[in-house]
Amino acid sequence: EIMLTQSPGTLSLSPGERATLSCRASQSVNRNYLAWYHQKPGQAPRLLIYGESSRATGIPDRFSGSGSGTDFTLTISRLEPEDFAVYYCQYYGSSSTFGQGTKLEIK
Amino acid sequence: QVQLVESGGGVVQPGRSLRLSCTASGFIFSDYGMHWVRQAPGKGLEWVSIIWYDGINRYYADSVKGRFTISRDNSKNTLYLQMNSLRAEDTAVYYCARDWAGATYLFDSWGQGTLVTVSS
Repeated sequence: EIMLTQSPGTLSLSPGERATLSCRASQSVNRNYLAWYHQKPGQAPRLLIYGESSRATGIPDRFSGSGSGTDFTLTISRLEPEDFAVYYCQYYGSSSTFGQGTKLEIK
Repeated sequence: QVQLVESGGGVVQPGRSLRLSCTASGFIFSDYGMHWVRQAPGKGLEWVSIIWYDGINRYYADSVKGRFTISRDNSKNTLYLQMNSLRAEDTAVYYCARDWAGATYLFDSWGQGTLVTVSS
């Protein structure tokens, strides 16, 4: 079973700054099966990125995904106030595994 | 637009049963695989179960296998989760989620969740 480890646990940044979130897999994964979600307090998760770098419907282009093998990255180019949330990476395809999450908080 | 509305959560004693429902609208329900995903208080996301679009294939996480049963009624656009022999560690918000396609395990739409609390 593939395990996903996200870092950092908490990231403190200001609006307008660039955010870089990491997701490391316990073994090499097919880049097409890596997704990112965010979850705001009291809300359901929302799909952001799938297939490692494709944006879901309605997701602005300040969100981008990259990576290969065991190391993947979600980048938010310029943080907006609504971007502060918990972010999860997910390996999908024939099952589902989530990382433990990175909390992106306002500095 | 796609809408998923869960119901049926509540407080239940250990060992008892509960049935969750998820009513779908805004898309052709019978075309999509559907999932249940849960989140324990203050914790991360855990996939629970999938049912294919036609209801024939169903799979479960090891943590619920043999205790939970997923089903669907395509004529009512409704997804169900029958939870038996509940344990304290089943306490969580349960989300229903639509699969992006058939059974990719990619969740492109989520309900607002329903809280299940297992406590004596």
